[in-house]
Amino acid sequence: KAGVTQTPRYLIKTRGQQVTLSCSPISGHRSVSWYQQTPGQGLQFLFEYFSETQRNKGNFPGRFSGRQFSNSRSEMNVSTLELGDSALYLCASSHTSDSYEQYFGPGTRLTVT
Amino acid sequence: DQQVKQNSPSLSVQEGRISILNCDYTNSMFDYFLWYKKYPAEGPTFLISISSIKDKNEDGRFTVFLNKSAKHLSLHIVPSQPGDSAVYFCAARSLSGSARQLTFGSGTQLTVLP
Repeated sequence: KAGVTQTPRYLIKTRGQQVTLSCSPISGHRSVSWYQQTPGQGLQFLFEYFSETQRNKGNFPGRFSGRQFSNSRSEMNVSTLELGDSALYLCASSHTSDSYEQYFGPGTRLTVT
Repeated sequence: DQQVKQNSPSLSVQEGRISILNCDYTNSMFDYFLWYKKYPAEGPTFLISISSIKDKNEDGRFTVFLNKSAKHLSLHIVPSQPGDSAVYFCAARSLSGSARQLTFGSGTQLTVLP
């Protein structure tokens, strides 16, 4: 069974631009969560989608948004990029939003210059 | 407000010895705890978990202990191997209330010396 895939793996953008990251969950998984990882901060929860609906949202500004498609694939968008948005963005999938264990993709390394 | 804390950013252990990684939490609503391991340039991989109704769970060389009264859990790796060198994240969640999503600690870099 294929794991969680994320594209692109690396991205360099400049301040003020916007970016879209993509995540394909494990086949059969319907819940997708997004996390931001920065040095010393661990993984900060961004949001979770299940059946195309946002189920949960973390404490991030409105510049961070996401969506989920009918095939469970998910995209995350960040508008008006700031230097502080440089991070590893991780996507995780699980069977349902009540599943305890999540399976992570390799992440997208975003650098904002 | 960090609800899950890993106070040791790094730990070095000799190969063959025991590695003990610690984690503290503040939210009493958490009812399930997990440990993830992360290598550079890879996403975290699930290692072991424990429900709040238990105080110990073992899987091969890995054992997780939960002390609910102290709001503390620990991961023991015995014996430690060089391949265990990675960042270990503690995570917690609840199926109810505002703690439904996984809340992670900041991680501990484990280095196992040959």
